[in-house]
Amino acid sequence: NAGVTQTPKFRILKIGQSMTLQCTQDMNHNYMYWYRQDPGMGLKLIYYSVGAGITDKGEVPNGYNVSRSTTEDFPLRLELAAPSQTSVYFCASRPQGLSYEQYFGPGTRLTVT
Amino acid sequence: AQSVTQLDSHVSVSEGTPVLLRCNYSSSYSPSLFWYVQHPNKGLQLLLKYTSAATLVKGINGFEAEFKKSETSFHLTKPSAHMSDAAEYFCVVSDGPLNTGKLIFGQGTTLQVKP
Repeated sequence: NAGVTQTPKFRILKIGQSMTLQCTQDMNHNYMYWYRQDPGMGLKLIYYSVGAGITDKGEVPNGYNVSRSTTEDFPLRLELAAPSQTSVYFCASRPQGLSYEQYFGPGTRLTVT
Repeated sequence: AQSVTQLDSHVSVSEGTPVLLRCNYSSSYSPSLFWYVQHPNKGLQLLLKYTSAATLVKGINGFEAEFKKSETSFHLTKPSAHMSDAAEYFCVVSDGPLNTGKLIFGQGTTLQVKP
């Protein structure tokens, strides 16, 4: 199993550009999450999904959109990039059940200039 | 609402000496608690988890943590630090069964290990 994979690893965007961060998991997990990590801070939840076709906002959703058409994929869309979105983005997943342990991808480092 | 506070933003120890990283939590029910480690420019790796079984939890690389409900604490310890332990450590609480198991992260503690 590859686990949770994210692409790209690094990206530089100009202000106002758009991009999609890809996230795929091969563990058949129902739950998937997107976080951002700003320097010196913990992770903050952007969006999450409890299954295909179901998504909901987290703590910091403004400026982002998500979709979940399959169990495996959970892309994060930035429509109009702003410098405040410069961050490291982590995707995570977990299975159904009461463990609540999440499995993280390696992250995407995004810079908006 | 659940929350977690890591009491030290930076901890410095000498190699071979004990490590103590402190974490207090707030939860309205019996929480699930985790410690994750993040090495520089890497993703997050689970060190250990507490899910209402034994209060003393053993994790990878010699780390352990004790759940103390009366003190609402979940401190991380290791008897002898190794240079490879230098990293960022996050204490995390799950918002549990009433919601969707979202994780709430502490601010992180940077562990420095001196030779």
